[in-house]
Amino acid sequence: QKEVEQDPGPLSVPEGAIVSLNCTYSNSAFQYFMWYRQYSRKGPELLMYTYSSGNKEDGRFTAQVDKSSKYISLFIRDSQPSDSATYLCAMSAGGSYIPTFGRGTSLIVHP
Amino acid sequence: GAVVSQHPSRVICKSGTSVKIECRSLDFQATTMFWYRQFPKKSLMLMATSNEGSKATYEQGVEKDKFLINHASLTLSTLTVTSAHPEDSSFYICSARPRAYEQYFGPGTRLTVT
Repeated sequence: QKEVEQDPGPLSVPEGAIVSLNCTYSNSAFQYFMWYRQYSRKGPELLMYTYSSGNKEDGRFTAQVDKSSKYISLFIRDSQPSDSATYLCAMSAGGSYIPTFGRGTSLIVHP
Repeated sequence: GAVVSQHPSRVICKSGTSVKIECRSLDFQATTMFWYRQFPKKSLMLMATSNEGSKATYEQGVEKDKFLINHASLTLSTLTVTSAHPEDSSFYICSARPRAYEQYFGPGTRLTVT
């Protein structure tokens, strides 16, 4: 079992839909949880990070962490074609804080 | 803020030559920088962790003599691919860390070895 599991997709949704992206993990020591967006042939861009459990909202994006279930989610409201990209989850424990990445979910938002 | 640049963005070189890739944090100081390799439709593979003023820490399976990393200052790290071969062709991405739990990535360098 990989430390971080993420469905590669692709996930195809119509414009305006609510998108739910998810990752599961096995290492209970993870405390920091990040979501990155990566456009084709570009470096990943940090979207959000959260510490421990709970929700965090930033504009159309909401990140949720459920440590009891070892499950994290990223919700995108009112999705736009410009949101089409690969979304990578990442998480790290304290100490070195070196993140472990999921393989990314490819999202396609069609007009 | 939190901008990381990489140069060059694309490079084509002949087999047997060496290539240097630069990674700079433009608006913050980074005591730690990371180098990743990414294959198509695959996640990021951490190659090494680079700390300013000290030797890089390489991940298992990464040849330190082939992938030379230098972190000369708080804003600059370089990756040199020595004696490049076609199998080294890949997308190389660096990242820099202003704080322990935040990491910002460069735009990546596409290396093609012919």
